Amino acid sequence: DTEVTQTPKHLVMGMTNKKSLKCEQHMGHRAMYWYKQKAKKPPELMFVYSYEKLSINESVPSRFSPECPNSSLLNLHLHALQPEDSALYLCASSQADSSYEQYFGPGTRLTVT
Amino acid sequence: AQKVTQAQTEISVVEKEDVTLDCVYETRDTTYYLFWYKQPPSGELVFLIRRNSFDEQNEISGRYSWNFQKSTSSFNFTITASQVVDSAVYFCALSDPSGGYQKVTFGTGTKLQVIP
Repeated sequence: DTEVTQTPKHLVMGMTNKKSLKCEQHMGHRAMYWYKQKAKKPPELMFVYSYEKLSINESVPSRFSPECPNSSLLNLHLHALQPEDSALYLCASSQADSSYEQYFGPGTRLTVT
Repeated sequence: AQKVTQAQTEISVVEKEDVTLDCVYETRDTTYYLFWYKQPPSGELVFLIRRNSFDEQNEISGRYSWNFQKSTSSFNFTITASQVVDSAVYFCALSDPSGGYQKVTFGTGTKLQVIP
């Protein structure tokens, strides 16, 4: 199984809402990632979890809060977002100690109104 | 610091033409990984290939081939006999020890349009 799944596919939220993005993989990978991608730009790394511990935080604002409940699941909790946070949010997974190619989910297209 | 340059912003070709996407990278490390990803209009990034810095063998997979040259710090991607389904944005990427190999630097991408 080489699939990474993400829910929801689309999300519209107001600036005062709280919502969560979910990601799941069953490839036995021990590294999981959140990326943000704006139109016509490459993905920007937000967070990396390695063996369920946060290993990289790319100075992301605290209105984004990641969580890794277990080795297969990754969440991104959203609170008090700004319209400029509207983007495609991509989850990925990879081996933690070798190979390092990342497998991406289909993304959640987020619109903040 | 890591850097990946994809100088071609957009390329248009007619179906069945061959096309090469260029990628030039910079890193201070001797051990690193290079990748190519495809992002079709649906949005999902699809992993195409990984090459480590010690393996300069070129690779062919069907209509796809990759030319890795350390001497010029390039990792170019050629699609032979292009098809409409190849239309996508293609990203070249690099990871090295500075980010524990997990921090990937992406190029800005090349948008390929294959015209029927």
